[in-house]
Amino acid sequence: KQEVTQIPAALSVPEGENLVLNCSFTDSAIYNLQWFRQDPGKGLTSLLLIQSSQREQTSGRLNASLDKSSGRSTLYIAASQPGDSATYLCAVVGNEKLTFGTGTRLTIIP
Amino acid sequence: GAGVSQTPSNKVTEKGKYVELRCDPISGHTALYWYRQSLGQGPEFLIYFQGTGAADDSGLPNDRFFAVRPEGSVSTLKIQRTERGDSAVYLCASSPRRPYGGPNTGELFFGEGSRLTVL
Repeated sequence: KQEVTQIPAALSVPEGENLVLNCSFTDSAIYNLQWFRQDPGKGLTSLLLIQSSQREQTSGRLNASLDKSSGRSTLYIAASQPGDSATYLCAVVGNEKLTFGTGTRLTIIP
Repeated sequence: GAGVSQTPSNKVTEKGKYVELRCDPISGHTALYWYRQSLGQGPEFLIYFQGTGAADDSGLPNDRFFAVRPEGSVSTLKIQRTERGDSAVYLCASSPRRPYGGPNTGELFFGEGSRLTVL
């Protein structure tokens, strides 16, 4: 059974800093990995999708990497802003179903 | 519409009542998913439709839960004899193609969710 872990559960950093969010998964047989953002009381917004054949994807200040063999992905956020405050979830697609981590709650301190 | 639409956004009901939650996917998306998210947790898979048929319903917790998608577009999640433990946010997502089982894996687009509270 696929298990997805996100550490830390919560993170606070001053505005302007670069930061990294971590995601690990137990079964490396995945088709893709997707990072989402969730604001309080809202649905999920897709940030980046990495296919299993890819190593990384970039969108603006966001960069996501994937190391399938070691079961890890990172989401790098450059020059953080207060508007980046949200919960960030990673999800992997494998032979069974899309499996989510429990998320990292990020707070950017102005 | 431009995105996935879910109604109602909030539903408060009494234990034992019947509830229907509706999802309008993005036009043209063949794959549709239902997830359930409890406070502080990641979304949990419930059921996945490819077109009109339920391709995977292994996440439905018990036979009180049922979902349909009769015309391959709008889907309704139905919960019978609601219990307090059913309280959660029910999320719907759609994708232009099936997300697993092949190389053409698709991105999922989520709605805002329906918050269900069972008193």
